[in-house]
Amino acid sequence: QVRLQESGPGLVKPSETLSLTCSVSGASIGNNNFYWGWIRQPPGRGLEWIGSIYNSGQVFYNPSLTSGVVISVDTSNNRFSLRLTSVTAADTAIYYCVKDRGDYTFIPDSWGQGTLVTVSS
Amino acid sequence: QTVVTQEPSFAVSPGGTVTLTCGLNSGSVSSSYYPSWVQQIPGQAPRTLIYRTSVRSSGVPARFSGSILGNNAALTITGAQADDEGLYYCVLYMGRDISFGGGSTLTVL
Repeated sequence: QVRLQESGPGLVKPSETLSLTCSVSGASIGNNNFYWGWIRQPPGRGLEWIGSIYNSGQVFYNPSLTSGVVISVDTSNNRFSLRLTSVTAADTAIYYCVKDRGDYTFIPDSWGQGTLVTVSS
Repeated sequence: QTVVTQEPSFAVSPGGTVTLTCGLNSGSVSSSYYPSWVQQIPGQAPRTLIYRTSVRSSGVPARFSGSILGNNAALTITGAQADDEGLYYCVLYMGRDISFGGGSTLTVL
C-alpha cells in the first residue's frame, strides 16, 4: 500500500516561498507510471488541484493558478516537492500530496494526511 | 471557463437512498471525463470512493455506486449510514488538468 507524507513549515510569511515535500513509501516513484500531485484546501472551502508530475519530470499545472508554482520530483530519494513563490494569505490551506491510479488522469487514488500551511506575518 | 457543478447539500434518513449529481456549466458529463467521487469526513483527509464513473476503490462498501444519469455523473448511496455524513466532491479529468466540484454536504438524520 502506498503511503504519502507531507512535510514542511506550517507558517510562511507573505511574499516568501512556500516549500513542501512529499515522502513516498510502498512504491518507487521512478519505476511505475503514476502521476504524483498536490491538492490544497483553504480553511472551510473546497479542493483545488495544483498540479501533477511524472517520474520523467513532465508536469502539468492548474491553468487557473497564477505563476510561481513549481513541482519537482526526486526519484533518488523517492519524494516530490512543491514550491509556491510570493505567497499571500490566499495561499493559506491544507496541502495534500496525492498519487493517481496510473491511468494518466491525475485523479488521486491515494492521499497524504495533509499539512496546514498558514501565510501570516 | 468550464465549471463543475454540484448541489450544495443533501439530507437522507438512515437506511435511505440518496443520489448526488455532478454536472458542467456547459455541456454534459460523460465517461470520457473519468468522473470520480471523493469523500471527506470532517477532520479527516479526503479519500477517493469511485473512479472511472463506477469503479469502487478498494475497501469502499457496496452501498456506494457511481453512474452517468442523463447529462450528469451520479453517486448513489443505498442504505445510508450515520458515518456517511460528510462532504462529497466530484472530480473530472479535463484533458490536461482536473477540476473539482464545489462539494455536496450530506447529512444523515
